[in-house]
Amino acid sequence: GQQLNQSPQSMFIQEGEDVSMNCTSSSIFNTWLWYKQDPGEGPVLLIALYKAGELTSNGRLTAQFGITRKDSFLNISASIPSDVGIYFCAGLIPAGQPGANNLFFGTGTRLTVIP
Amino acid sequence: NAGVTQTPKFQVLKTGQSMTLQCAQDMNHEYMSWYRQDPGMGLRLIHYSVGAGITDQGEVPNGYNVSRSTTEDFPLRLLSAAPSQTSVYFCASSQAGGRDTQYFGPGTRLTVL
Repeated sequence: GQQLNQSPQSMFIQEGEDVSMNCTSSSIFNTWLWYKQDPGEGPVLLIALYKAGELTSNGRLTAQFGITRKDSFLNISASIPSDVGIYFCAGLIPAGQPGANNLFFGTGTRLTVIP
Repeated sequence: NAGVTQTPKFQVLKTGQSMTLQCAQDMNHEYMSWYRQDPGMGLRLIHYSVGAGITDQGEVPNGYNVSRSTTEDFPLRLLSAAPSQTSVYFCASSQAGGRDTQYFGPGTRLTVL
């Protein structure tokens, strides 16, 4: 299957600090997505990116679709306690290739915010 | 509108037992999928369906069967459970797959002894 490497694996930060995490792939994707998973729940979509170089914001969250189409970045500004959770990147392979139309997920970044 | 629902929430099985994980959605979505989530591995696609009567294998299909007799339901069957199938299972649905937003259920935590 596709390999999506997400880093860091975990982060411990103080409330109010900014957070950065990234995801790299061995394959080109035509869509990058970022999800958040709260304990005991399923992932919820935060941001979707559809073309190389795109920079998209959702409140305090900002994500970018890498120029090479093999990476993506998520930044969270001024973290708050409710930002705690696991953040996953996910990618879609272009149509016509094996696995197209299905999501491939990264390994996740576990974020802990210390009040 | 309940979204995506999954039952049961928790299940413990013995090796060799069979069971069905239920998944239902009330959003009239064509695309439904099953993932398993293991520590350090992210979510991996087991099976998916692009509409009633159509199913296909994902990344890790071995040991699992699915069927899609209605638009709303997409059950996942374990025919002979193995300890390697201990995991958290998530069902998801979207309008047509691909770039459409996928909505996830709350998950089923399965332990196979």
